[in-house]
Amino acid sequence: NAGVTQTPKFQVLKTGQSMTLQCAQDMNHEYMSWYRQDPGMGLRLIHYSVGAGITDQGEVPNGYNVSRSTTEDFPLRLLSAAPSQTSVYFCASSPQGHGYTFGSGTRLTVV
Amino acid sequence: KNQVEQSPQSLIILEGKNCTLQCNYTVSPFSNLRWYKQDTGRGPVSLTIMTFSENTKSNGRYTATLDADTKQSSLHITASQLSDSASYICVVISYGNNRLAFGKGNQVVVIP
Repeated sequence: NAGVTQTPKFQVLKTGQSMTLQCAQDMNHEYMSWYRQDPGMGLRLIHYSVGAGITDQGEVPNGYNVSRSTTEDFPLRLLSAAPSQTSVYFCASSPQGHGYTFGSGTRLTVV
Repeated sequence: KNQVEQSPQSLIILEGKNCTLQCNYTVSPFSNLRWYKQDTGRGPVSLTIMTFSENTKSNGRYTATLDADTKQSSLHITASQLSDSASYICVVISYGNNRLAFGKGNQVVVIP
């Protein structure tokens, strides 16, 4: 039981590049979500999903896309990376919206 | 205005001493409140969860309190250890939509 696995742990992108942050959980949790964490700010919700095939926008969705084709996976796509997207990204999952388990994070730098 | 306010923003304490972290929230309707510990470079890890009817919950040297009437919670760390150095995040979950509201965290540094 690995919990929530995020890859990669570190990434450097050039402005305008695209990439996908991977998130996988093996706990059969219905709820999954993506957050970004910036210095001096609390975690902010980017996108979330309450089940396979269902996604919705969070607080700061612009510049990001998600999909949820399976219960286990919830990838986050950066369409055209910008320096403002430099941040630490956390994926989290929960059985029914309670007791969220967080991944270890992806530290992204956009230059 | 942030729905979850934590204080103090940061504090330094001597190893072996106690400390108390505060969390005030305006989230409504309320479902439950959680305290998470986040070590540097790691994801948050749940310490306690408290529902509306619970006033106190302990997890080892960590004791959380909740006053749902005044919308206040505290996290008390007893006999602090160097490994307690971390950010402690208060998270309040809304009833119904299960949305999470995060505080900015209390940064605790324990020194020998």
